[in-house]
Amino acid sequence: KNELEQSPQNLTAQEGEFITINCSYSVGISALHWLQQHPGGGIVSLFMLSSGKKKHGRLIATINIQEKHSSLHITASHPRDSAVYICAVPNAGGTSYGKLTFGQGTILTVHP
Amino acid sequence: GAGVSQTPSNKVTEKGKYVELRCDPISGHTALYWYRQSLGQGPEFLIYFQGTGAADDSGLPNDRFFAVRPEGSVSTLKIQRTERGDSAVYLCASSLTPGRNSPLHFGNGTRLTVT
Repeated sequence: KNELEQSPQNLTAQEGEFITINCSYSVGISALHWLQQHPGGGIVSLFMLSSGKKKHGRLIATINIQEKHSSLHITASHPRDSAVYICAVPNAGGTSYGKLTFGQGTILTVHP
Repeated sequence: GAGVSQTPSNKVTEKGKYVELRCDPISGHTALYWYRQSLGQGPEFLIYFQGTGAADDSGLPNDRFFAVRPEGSVSTLKIQRTERGDSAVYLCASSLTPGRNSPLHFGNGTRLTVT
């Protein structure tokens, strides 16, 4: 089973700051997901990437397959970005890319 | 509906009782997943359906847990003889196919509390 480690576990920022959340994994993967979970709410898929970099609005996700590491960046952070951010990878040898192993999550709080 | 719908949103039950949790995936999505998220933890995989069949139930913790998807759309997760340790948020997700390029869509979860 893949072991995922996210850092930091908790992150507090002021509005406007640049945010970086990291995810390392132990076993080679075909793809990595970044997910967002608001308190009391469901999970929203932000990115699924297998190489390089993806950008969507103020969010950027990068992955380095050789180093087994991915980062999620938020530019010009805003209080509405406050949420738990989770990385997840498909289980090795699985028949479905939706059978995921999840990291423990990073709790982000952005103050006005 | 437009997204994955889970009902009820909250369920409180007494230890030993039977509960059913429902998931309505996005119309046309063939793949459906159940996860369980305990407080302060990331979700853990329970079971995956492709169409009507359970393609992978390796995450079900024991035989008190069972899930069905009889018509390949709505799924029901069933828990018998509930225990306090079953208290968690149960999440459902669906995707058009189980393939690599098919995004996952999550529901808002059912928060189960066993007293």
